[in-house]
Amino acid sequence: DGGITQSPKYLFRKEGQNVTLSCEQNLNHDAMYWYRQDPGQGLRLIYYSQIVNDFQKGDIAEGYSVSREKKESFPLTVTSAQKNPTAFYLCASSILRDVNTEAFFGQGTRLTVV
Amino acid sequence: AQSVSQHNHHVILSEAASLELGCNYSYGGTVNLFWYVQYPGQHLQLLLKYFSGDPLVKGIKGFEAEFIKSKFSFNLRKPSVQWSDTAEYFCAVNAGGNKLVFGAGTILRVKS
Repeated sequence: DGGITQSPKYLFRKEGQNVTLSCEQNLNHDAMYWYRQDPGQGLRLIYYSQIVNDFQKGDIAEGYSVSREKKESFPLTVTSAQKNPTAFYLCASSILRDVNTEAFFGQGTRLTVV
Repeated sequence: AQSVSQHNHHVILSEAASLELGCNYSYGGTVNLFWYVQYPGQHLQLLLKYFSGDPLVKGIKGFEAEFIKSKFSFNLRKPSVQWSDTAEYFCAVNAGGNKLVFGAGTILRVKS
């Protein structure tokens, strides 16, 4: 089945540790995105990538890093510099076009930092 | 920068009631507009989208939305809601650069 796979579904980490969230897609989409979802704030864009080996900061990139070494994969690292990392993280992908594009989402990873 | 505003954060309706969820965006150029839905425990999925043409678009499960350019609005409607419509609804706009901007979401609870 084609789709976007995020792993793990739940993740617990100690404060001060870096953690990497996985996102893989087999839809052959060029563009991939990371969003953070917090209650009452909707989805906020962290990073996005339109092509391999290139990515751009979104609205809340501080404390996060990404890489795009393969078209299918777009891992997100939550670093110790992120002040409030506990959240629900969503990965998405889309065909690369100008504006006529819809995004497809993974099931999300809920990160809890204790 | 583009922004999306959803008017209500929580809406509670009885079954068979009519639904209208407000969405306004701030961008003066060409936009594409979306409504996504997130059912409890499920991933975000597309409900409907507007790219061009007829400003009244129909989506899945009896939902529709009307794009009113002069009001920068894209309100979601359904004539008669069901208990299974209980979910969180997100309005989103793509104003270029493959960057989708989302509203804060509206949680709809339908009482049976």
